[in-house]
Amino acid sequence: GQQLNQSPQSMFIQEGEDVSMNCTSSSIFNTWLWYKQDPGEGPVLLIALYKAGELTSNGRLTAQFGITRKDSFLNISASIPSDVGIYFCAGQPGTGNQFYFGTGTSLTVIP
Amino acid sequence: DADVTQTPRNRITKTGKRIMLECSQTKGHDRMYWYRQDPGLGLRLIYYSFDVKDINKGEISDGYSVSRQAQAKFSLSLESAIPNQTALYFCATSDSLAGGGRETQYFGPGTRLLVL
Repeated sequence: GQQLNQSPQSMFIQEGEDVSMNCTSSSIFNTWLWYKQDPGEGPVLLIALYKAGELTSNGRLTAQFGITRKDSFLNISASIPSDVGIYFCAGQPGTGNQFYFGTGTSLTVIP
Repeated sequence: DADVTQTPRNRITKTGKRIMLECSQTKGHDRMYWYRQDPGLGLRLIYYSFDVKDINKGEISDGYSVSRQAQAKFSLSLESAIPNQTALYFCATSDSLAGGGRETQYFGPGTRLLVL
């Protein structure tokens, strides 16, 4: 099955630093989703993107739908300890198709 | 109350046993999915259902079966559990009728399964 390439795999940062991660695909997607997963819990939706070039924020989080429709980016500004977790991207080629997931970015925030 | 619930949350079983994991949703979504998560491998799709009469295999369906008993219920069965089916299992839902093609997927809290 199709996998999205998500990078980096892991990040260790100091509290207060900004974080960037991205997801790329070999094919075009019409929807990009970003999730956060805490240990032992299900992924929780952070941001949904539905249009090429779209830039959407949710508090300190900002995500962008790449112009080529083959990538998406998630930025976290001024990280805090509760940002720790695994962040996943997901893409959907079009309505009616299944969703494909990245392998996740594990974020550790050092106080 | 949670929109997507899974039972049980944790289960330990022995090789060869039949196991059923259940998922219920109150979101009114037509589509439901079962995923498996293993460390370092992300989420892999086992089965999905686009409506009550529709069942589709995902990339790792071997050893699993599903039943869509109603729009709100989607269960996953392991007919004869084996140790390499030890994993975290997630149910998810989405709404194909979301306006403007804005389909989004929502996850349950997961079931942690250990097969001895």
